[in-house]
Amino acid sequence: QVQLQESGPGLVEPSETLSLICSVSGGSIRSYYWSWIRQPAGKGLEWIGRVYSSGSTNYNSSLKSRVTLSLDTSQNRFSLRLSSVTAADTAVYYCATTTNYFYDSSGHYRPAGFDSWGQGTLVTVSS
Amino acid sequence: SYELTQPPSVSVSPGQTARITCSGDAWPKEYAYWYQQKPGQAPVFVIYKDNERPSGIPERFSGSSSGTRVTLTISGVQAEDEADYYCQSADSSGSVVFGGGTKLTVL
Repeated sequence: QVQLQESGPGLVEPSETLSLICSVSGGSIRSYYWSWIRQPAGKGLEWIGRVYSSGSTNYNSSLKSRVTLSLDTSQNRFSLRLSSVTAADTAVYYCATTTNYFYDSSGHYRPAGFDSWGQGTLVTVSS
Repeated sequence: SYELTQPPSVSVSPGQTARITCSGDAWPKEYAYWYQQKPGQAPVFVIYKDNERPSGIPERFSGSSSGTRVTLTISGVQAEDEADYYCQSADSSGSVVFGGGTKLTVL
């Protein structure tokens, strides 16, 4: 397993852009696929999106218009930007990945869940 | 994208067997994954690819699938197993979906 650590502002004003970084150790950012997942207080997990080792991305359709994920290979980290935030974006944000992959029946290379998680960082949207 | 439905809560006494279900059209096409989350902690992987157990996860945790429902079974439940449990799947495009979560209470 790799080790992940989220960092970024804990407070963001409404309508601004939330920016978080996930620092990776014990593995290369050029390997694996890298995801962000969030969890509002007292609620369930919501997948935000994934950035592939190639730099291509896949986003939750409900957030796609506001989300940008990217890799920083020089620093071995990846980042999340979520624009036009509201109070509904207040949540604990996790970065996650897996070292376990498989080929499905269509020949697609797929991650087998999330075996590595950061500790999570609380982001509050408030003025 | 798929929707996954879990019961909000399950209660069992210590030593009994807990079964947490997750229903959805993702199965049997896709694999199921299960996570345990204790208060204030990040989720922990307990089952992957329907019924495989990561290293370090006790043997009392097992997974199964039948039609459009998958089940996490915890045999001989211990007090330390009290937590929220989430099922997860993904569609062929790679989009990930989680179930709403089930709170397991050990009486």
